Amino acid sequence: GQNIDQPTEMTATEGAIVQINCTYQTSGFNGLFWYQQHAGEAPTFLSYNVLDGLEEKGRFSSFLSRSKGYSYLLLKELQMKDSASYLCAVRDSSGGSYIPTFGRGTSLIVHP
Amino acid sequence: ETGVTQSPTHLIKTRGQQVTLRCSSQSGHNTVSWYQQALGQGPQFIFQYYREEENGRGNFPPRFSGLQFPNYSSELNVNALELDDSALYLCASSLGADLNTEAFFGQGTRLTVV
Repeated sequence: GQNIDQPTEMTATEGAIVQINCTYQTSGFNGLFWYQQHAGEAPTFLSYNVLDGLEEKGRFSSFLSRSKGYSYLLLKELQMKDSASYLCAVRDSSGGSYIPTFGRGTSLIVHP
Repeated sequence: ETGVTQSPTHLIKTRGQQVTLRCSSQSGHNTVSWYQQALGQGPQFIFQYYREEENGRGNFPPRFSGLQFPNYSSELNVNALELDDSALYLCASSLGADLNTEAFFGQGTRLTVV
């Protein structure tokens, strides 16, 4: 099984930078995803990491360290619309299937 | 807009009843996964279908069952509904069960069991 841990809630100011951490334990790591989910809506894909390092995509970046079981999502130039839940999901290939397991999500509140 | 559609969007059922939720995958996607998301929680994996066969199952009882059709649309069936089954049910489609591809989620079906 997997154990995924991320903070429950974070707050930040518009225009600032925020880092959302995710730690995990898994026996057959096969990739880590970050999703954004606005209240009442479906999760939308933000990033995918399978190798160590930083992946940058516009205002969002995601980092992975497989040896530490650690990832973070970095959001720059925060906007009010970034207020949402951010879900970390780890895919495990043990057992022959490739199933992502989601953390509980981090609720980010961006205030003016 | 992900191209993944679910129906119905909202549903109210009585404890003990049965329910069928439907998902139409994004064009060309042959893999569908179903998730249950309780309020304030992350999505919990129910099962995955790849080319009409179950390809993985989470920690859900047998009264949760599914089907995937030749056109890759899918159904989630839940028998003997319990109050704790009240949740948002999400389906996600992707291309290939073992490829490094992202999954696209539908808007979900909000099920309330009373």
